[in-house]
Amino acid sequence: DAGITQSPRHKVTETGTPVTLRCHQTENHRYMYWYRQDPGHGLRLIHYSYGVKDTDKGEVSDGYSVSRSKTEDFLLTLESATSSQTSVYFCAISELEDYGYTFGSGTRLTVV
Amino acid sequence: KQEVTQIPAALSVPEGENLVLNCSFTDSAIYNLQWFRQDPGKGLTSLLLIQSSQREQTSGRLNASLDKSSGRSTLYIAASQPGDSATYLCALVRGGSEKLVFGKGTKLTVNP
Repeated sequence: DAGITQSPRHKVTETGTPVTLRCHQTENHRYMYWYRQDPGHGLRLIHYSYGVKDTDKGEVSDGYSVSRSKTEDFLLTLESATSSQTSVYFCAISELEDYGYTFGSGTRLTVV
Repeated sequence: KQEVTQIPAALSVPEGENLVLNCSFTDSAIYNLQWFRQDPGKGLTSLLLIQSSQREQTSGRLNASLDKSSGRSTLYIAASQPGDSATYLCALVRGGSEKLVFGKGTKLTVNP
């Protein structure tokens, strides 16, 4: 989607290795979010940010950490990847006026 | 906890048919409701956003309605086409929260 990009698009990693996914926006939106999407579970919120250095946990935050040092970048880190973290990860942005969300194209992560 | 339910989970219709996708939610104190489309292996595309003060939104062949008192939203697709085949997701932001909560989606197949 225009204004929000995720990198990498695909990644295969080994169990126990650290992994960082990046979300970059050009919309200057205050809110940024990380979701994971799994069959049977739908989209679930991992972490979100409501400003630079301001982050909070979502419903499935265990095993994940985030950082936001600049308005435009929101990083998701898996400190020690596990097979249960194999998923598609989506970043999203929103703004206060209407809370309409815009999603990135996703990162497909496979942990082997 | 806000729950969002979409029924049916899957729907198959012939081309040209008008159809309705349903979304129900448990807490009427919502800020807005958003309908998304997701094609296989792709990200989420926003279709319609309904603010809590609104009752419906229209875009082309799509019309979404919101009835907070009954905890329901419907997405109406007129004159369906094979290109409409996708998974349709309903999501809402609860009042007092900036987090989007998703239903598990309805997978629509429009047969030529």
